[in-house]
Amino acid sequence: EVELVEYGGGLVQPGGSLRLSCAASGFTFSSYAMSWVRQAPGKGPEWVFVISGSGANTYYADSVKGRFTISRDNSKSTLFLQMNSLRVEDTAVYYCAKGSILVDRGYFDLWGRGTLVTVSS
Amino acid sequence: DIQMTQSPSTLSATVGDRVTITCRASQSISSWLAWYQQKPGKAPKLLIYKASSLESGVPSRFSGSGSGTEFTLTISSLQPDDFATYYCQQYNRYPWTFGQGTKVEIK
Repeated sequence: EVELVEYGGGLVQPGGSLRLSCAASGFTFSSYAMSWVRQAPGKGPEWVFVISGSGANTYYADSVKGRFTISRDNSKSTLFLQMNSLRVEDTAVYYCAKGSILVDRGYFDLWGRGTLVTVSS
Repeated sequence: DIQMTQSPSTLSATVGDRVTITCRASQSISSWLAWYQQKPGKAPKLLIYKASSLESGVPSRFSGSGSGTEFTLTISSLQPDDFATYYCQQYNRYPWTFGQGTKVEIK
């Protein structure tokens, strides 16, 4: 079955860190760009970060510049998001999303169920 | 950043209605636009990519059109399963951005 499952969300204090993981199955993980997309409560989705299939290229939203890092382990079909210096406004459901073979073709044809990150004191 | 503006924000309709949602980009995005459907507590689901290409498995009552800065999503005959929130998303330029959403409600 083609599936993405996110792990690692939870409650963290402002300034803290969290690492999200996304386990992929049912497709050739290394062939596809992968993104993290977040959605704050009651808001629309916000694209956060993308990484190419090889891991050589990454692009991000300015809102996470210098604080978040994306990576992938193609041998384990797993995507990661390291989140540092977390802010209250980072509170959201974080989705792992499958992109295209071409990193710049940025639409998402498979999404995980999401993991909730709450930043609060 | 490219701003995506959807209209209307809320749409009240009945089963069988033809429904049209508009998405406008703040600058030209060629045809690099996708449409998604989202139901409460669920992840978005891809309906349309490259402005008018129907994703595999999506019913043919959904269609997309437009290029440049103006785009539309049309549901030809609204079904009970279609009551949801719809988002457009541009992927012409980083950062990729979404519209604010259009909620399709039961009239």
